[in-house]
Amino acid sequence: QVQLAESGGGVVQPGKSRTLSCAASGFNFKSFGMTWVRQAPGKGLEWLAYIWYDGSNKFYSNSVKGRFTVSRDNSEQTMSLHLDSLTGDDTAIYFCVRAPYGKAFDYWGQGTLVVVSS
Amino acid sequence: DIQMTQSPSSLSASVGDRITITCRASHVLRNNLAWYQQKPGKAPKCLISAASRLQDGVPSRFSGGGSGTEFTLTISNLQSEDVADYYCLQHHSFPYAFGPGTKVDI
Repeated sequence: QVQLAESGGGVVQPGKSRTLSCAASGFNFKSFGMTWVRQAPGKGLEWLAYIWYDGSNKFYSNSVKGRFTVSRDNSEQTMSLHLDSLTGDDTAIYFCVRAPYGKAFDYWGQGTLVVVSS
Repeated sequence: DIQMTQSPSSLSASVGDRITITCRASHVLRNNLAWYQQKPGKAPKCLISAASRLQDGVPSRFSGGGSGTEFTLTISNLQSEDVADYYCLQHHSFPYAFGPGTKVDI
């Protein structure tokens, strides 16, 4: 069965960086686009970034473009999100999601919580 | 960029009621619109893809409709387990965007 497991969350100081990881299993990872979505406490879902199946194209929301970087390693079946210059507005649960290109996001991880605080 | 709105932002209904949530996009989406249900403390779950395609295992009381810029999620015969937040997602063009959500209570 499809499984997505995020890791790397925790408490981070403002202005610092953090890298989140997503370990995928149960499907042919290298054939699927992947995406990151976050949810601030008590708020709605926010789409952040998308990476093509082969990593050749990446897309970002305007709110994180230039600060966040998505990458993947198909040999390891992992996806990463590097978060830079963090502020309190980046405090959220970060979800790793399978996202077949042109189709709905279908499988979600359980999320990893990032808290930006001094 | 495509902007998404949802209405209402919240609603309260009774068991057995029929409710409809509307999602509007600032640009034509064709059918590149999905609906998600999120219960407290859980990851979202896809209910509807391609505007009207019911996902496997989703009860038939859920249905999606619409096209172009206006889409609907209807729950007929509302059940207590349907208490959740509901979001639409446009995956027509980047940057993708979710609607602000609708909170459904009994």
